[in-house]
Amino acid sequence: DTAVSQTPKYLVTQMGNDKSIKCEQNLGHDTMYWYKQDSKKFLKIMFSYNNKELIINETVPNRFSPKSPDKAHLNLHINSLELGDSAVYFCASSLKGEGNTIYFGEGSWLTVV
Amino acid sequence: AQSVTQLGSHVSVSEGALVLLRCNYSSSVPPYLFWYVQYPNQGLQLLLKYTTGATLVKGINGFEAEFKKSETSFHLTKPSAHMSDAAEYFCAVSEAGYQKVTFGTGTKLQVIP
Repeated sequence: DTAVSQTPKYLVTQMGNDKSIKCEQNLGHDTMYWYKQDSKKFLKIMFSYNNKELIINETVPNRFSPKSPDKAHLNLHINSLELGDSAVYFCASSLKGEGNTIYFGEGSWLTVV
Repeated sequence: AQSVTQLGSHVSVSEGALVLLRCNYSSSVPPYLFWYVQYPNQGLQLLLKYTTGATLVKGINGFEAEFKKSETSFHLTKPSAHMSDAAEYFCAVSEAGYQKVTFGTGTKLQVIP
């Protein structure tokens, strides 16, 4: 009964590969996010979708492409992976009108070698 | 633009001592304020939040925080530290009607036996 679940939890891949991380929430929320946490624990928002519509798109390389098939799912696809993409990627969700309270998934640890 | 400053990237306290983690924010409108905790290799968990109303908010695990508008602060406290409190703590700010949540750089709390 995990609220925000993302897969895979660990991912090791070679430079130049393409990979995807999937996220699903069962909280009935209407907004979903992708955050990136670097090795210094700094958290930066990448994207946000509200009811499948992109509402936040920070300065992120266009190798990163989010896709939201419905408001319960937000996937992240990364093309041509680079060493600097190694990080923890967190999916999160919130409900508009609930004070912007964000609920996080457990994270996906991406290592590019 | 909203922003958050956490003073002290590392804080050490003795078990049983007062915990004080500092957070100052910048916001052009009344803010929503949050504290999250992250244990090793886990996602972020909401500790407490302030949206409106009472400025002293209580959260889980005995933590509380006070919203002080005049000081633009939202410091986190706990009267008596426990070993299990050792973790990374993040302060965050958001604004009503705008679903972007901005996180501080985090404070790592070490509890010394």
